[in-house]
Amino acid sequence: GAVVSQHPSWVICKSGTSVKIECRSLDFQATTMFWYRQFPKQSLMLMATSNEGSKATYEQGVEKDKFLINHASLTLSTLTVTSAHPEDSSFYICSAQRSGSEQYFGPGTRLTVT
Amino acid sequence: QQQVKQSPQSLIVQKGGISIINCAYENTAFDYFPWYQQFPGKGPALLIAIRPDVSEKKEGRFTISFNKSAKQFSLHIMDSQPGDSATYFCAASGWSYKLSFGAGTTVTVRA
Repeated sequence: GAVVSQHPSWVICKSGTSVKIECRSLDFQATTMFWYRQFPKQSLMLMATSNEGSKATYEQGVEKDKFLINHASLTLSTLTVTSAHPEDSSFYICSAQRSGSEQYFGPGTRLTVT
Repeated sequence: QQQVKQSPQSLIVQKGGISIINCAYENTAFDYFPWYQQFPGKGPALLIAIRPDVSEKKEGRFTISFNKSAKQFSLHIMDSQPGDSATYFCAASGWSYKLSFGAGTTVTVRA
């Protein structure tokens, strides 16, 4: 149990366009979902925390108007990168958490902006 | 500012040897200390985790040692296998459940 999926697994988009990444908890209800960004050979950096039905909480330095997060249900959160630029190219990873338990990570989404 | 400091950055171990990775933290409010294993192009997977009420936890070939007074914890991989070659991250969290990750250690196990 405790499987988290992400879609797409990789995406290439042109500079200036927007791209949406989905994160789903497949076999449990996630009260909280987290979004991370990971650059090559670096650690995971938390971008934002989202709770179902409420606005996401962004970490310092993360532009909330650029990285739109929606947590519409207990099994789905989406991250939309708006007006993407090459510097947004990264590996985006989500995690999902049941109340008070550990975080379960998705397989990640590789975003390349050309 | 990284709240969890991890060392070494990389290590090479012979098959059958012991890999040791160390982490240190400052925030005494942290009460959950997991270790994650990540393969290239994949998301991290929980390996083993410990809470401050115990000093050691063992699961198979993986052991966490925890020193609350020194604010340090470490991962020992016994009988290292080529399939253990991966990047390992320590992390810590408190009441908010937000994880602070270490910088990561790339482990290479030579056959």
